[in-house]
Amino acid sequence: DQQVKQNSPSLSVQEGRISILNCDYTNSMFDYFLWYKKYPAEGPTFLISISSIKDKNEDGRFTVFLNKSAKHLSLHIVPSQPGDSAVYFCAASAGSGANNLFFGTGTRLTVIP
Amino acid sequence: DAGVIQSPRHEVTEMGQEVTLRCKPISGHNSLFWYRQTMMRGLELLIYFNNNVPIDDSGMPEDRFSAKMPNASFSTLKIQPSEPRDSAVYFCASSVLGGPRGTQHFGDGTRLSIL
Repeated sequence: DQQVKQNSPSLSVQEGRISILNCDYTNSMFDYFLWYKKYPAEGPTFLISISSIKDKNEDGRFTVFLNKSAKHLSLHIVPSQPGDSAVYFCAASAGSGANNLFFGTGTRLTVIP
Repeated sequence: DAGVIQSPRHEVTEMGQEVTLRCKPISGHNSLFWYRQTMMRGLELLIYFNNNVPIDDSGMPEDRFSAKMPNASFSTLKIQPSEPRDSAVYFCASSVLGGPRGTQHFGDGTRLSIL
């Protein structure tokens, strides 16, 4: 059963506007969350992360928000650029001693020039 | 610096044949993960190793799948016999135990097609 869910398979956004990618999880033991970005024919690469003790983490144009009560997180990209077009995977981890991740199904973002 | 190296990049074979996927992790990394990517399930963890020892293989779909890590610089994922539903992209990733949490380095994957 999918413990990390990304319900939007795809998203299209105009260049310069905000992109918002959403992720929901079911396991209350998850305490660390990550976003990975994947270009075609390449492996995923780490983008940004957030611990459950925070509700926001920002890195340049990328911000991740965490709502623990709703078991929901989102990735905001502002402003969106054509080079941001990729598949974005949400991932979660349970416990500081665990190094395995649970991934969602991914959201394909297309930024239109 | 070399990243995670997977081979082959593409594999096409007939059902019933044995398939072996290979992975060389980043030097110095002591955790290795095998994933399968499908449209329906996204990235599924199949198995992972810490210090060459299998820690969790609960994601391995069936006994047809097996994985080994004979040393710190090499791992294989074998499917025998292969079936059309095994068609997917298989990724290998590595990380450092105790390193930045959750940060895994992925190879470029093996696209497997079983006819």
